[in-house]
Amino acid sequence: AAGVIQSPRHLIKEKRETATLKCYPIPRHDTVYWYQQGPGQDPQFLISFYEKMQSDKGSIPDRFSAQQFSDYHSELNMSSLELGDSALYFCASSEGPRSYEQYFGPGTRLTVT
Amino acid sequence: ELKVEQNPLFLSMQEGKNYTIYCNYSTTSDRLYWYRQDPGKSLESLFVLLSNGAVKQEGRLMASLDTKARLSTLHITAAVHDLSATYFCAVDRAGNQFYFGTGTSLTVIP
Repeated sequence: AAGVIQSPRHLIKEKRETATLKCYPIPRHDTVYWYQQGPGQDPQFLISFYEKMQSDKGSIPDRFSAQQFSDYHSELNMSSLELGDSALYFCASSEGPRSYEQYFGPGTRLTVT
Repeated sequence: ELKVEQNPLFLSMQEGKNYTIYCNYSTTSDRLYWYRQDPGKSLESLFVLLSNGAVKQEGRLMASLDTKARLSTLHITAAVHDLSATYFCAVDRAGNQFYFGTGTSLTVIP
């Protein structure tokens, strides 16, 4: 069965650079969620989209922005990167925002040096 | 703000033994989830608990939910090495963002 696809899987950037992470949800899933997981920490919700509109917002820094496109894929744009942004970034998708199951992608490991 | 706490944070147990991981949450939640995560890997869904008194079992793992006590348990029976991983519980509210617990790092010793 098709799963959530994230790209790239690994990304190394320097401080103050920008990064773009991409997420392709499971076919027919219209809701996308972004999470950030720091080393040894639990995943923290960043932001979510339903039908290309932002549906919920968590602890996403102002330096980050995200959007969902007409094909339902989503991109997380991160600017002025800081060392503390080094983390695993997960995307999850679901069939509607009230669905009781979110399917997680493999994650993108971002390292900021 | 909804808070989710797990205990223990670290658990080392011998093969063949039983143990329980606890997940407490602070406010009313619609649903509770258990995930497994191997180091550097994604989150693998284990259980979705949708109502008070729900109990689900898969292999050596059994999860239960008590919404009145705001408590879920993940019981491990006769542990084997393959169960070594970090286990997260998560709750959601109004079907949107997940609030994850602190995680329990389980090591099963042969």
